Amino acid sequence: AQSVTQLDSHVSVSEGTPVLLRCNYSSSYSPSLFWYVQHPNKGLQLLLKYTSAATLVKGINGFEAEFKKSETSFHLTKPSAHMSDAAEYFCVVYNTNAGKSTFGDGTTLTVKP
Amino acid sequence: DVKVTQSSRYLVKRTGEKVFLECVQDMDHENMFWYRQDPGLGLRLIYFSYDVKMKEKGDIPEGYSVSREKKERFSLILESASTNQTSMYLCASGDSGRTPYEQYFGPGTRLTVT
Repeated sequence: AQSVTQLDSHVSVSEGTPVLLRCNYSSSYSPSLFWYVQHPNKGLQLLLKYTSAATLVKGINGFEAEFKKSETSFHLTKPSAHMSDAAEYFCVVYNTNAGKSTFGDGTTLTVKP
Repeated sequence: DVKVTQSSRYLVKRTGEKVFLECVQDMDHENMFWYRQDPGLGLRLIYFSYDVKMKEKGDIPEGYSVSREKKERFSLILESASTNQTSMYLCASGDSGRTPYEQYFGPGTRLTVT
């Protein structure tokens, strides 16, 4: 069985300050992990993915995530928030054997001017 | 760029109606998915298909069926719509040959059942 827990349903930061969105996972197998972003009234867009080649993964728009096996975490970070980062973010674990993904409940990021 | 399109952005239907949601992808992907998205619940998988005429139940298939007659098209059917099926429906596709496996999403259909 696999599961994903996004530890914060809402995160609010000021423009120009760091962003941290937290995700813990549980998986019986070596996981494939993803972060997606959803802007209002849009579909989901892939931010980054964990390939097992490197534990620090760089994505689009300045986002990064670090895979920590010992902590079963895959937290998303960005050094400096921009107003356009305001959106909902989903952490996802993919089960190769079952052929399907499990999504976290989402974290809504608000960026204050 | 991969493009996944959904037939409607907004739909309003009455209880008991049969509802069809259509999804088309243009990247020759084997796998296609239907999810529903509700506030605070993330995305929940309804059905997925890994080949033409093949389908697998997801986590919440009750009240839904699907059809995949052509590789590029995956339809979600609500046989008799109910108010608890009011939701945002998202279609996605993916190439099973890629590892790790990522999905490409359509813009969503917001369905209201009255």
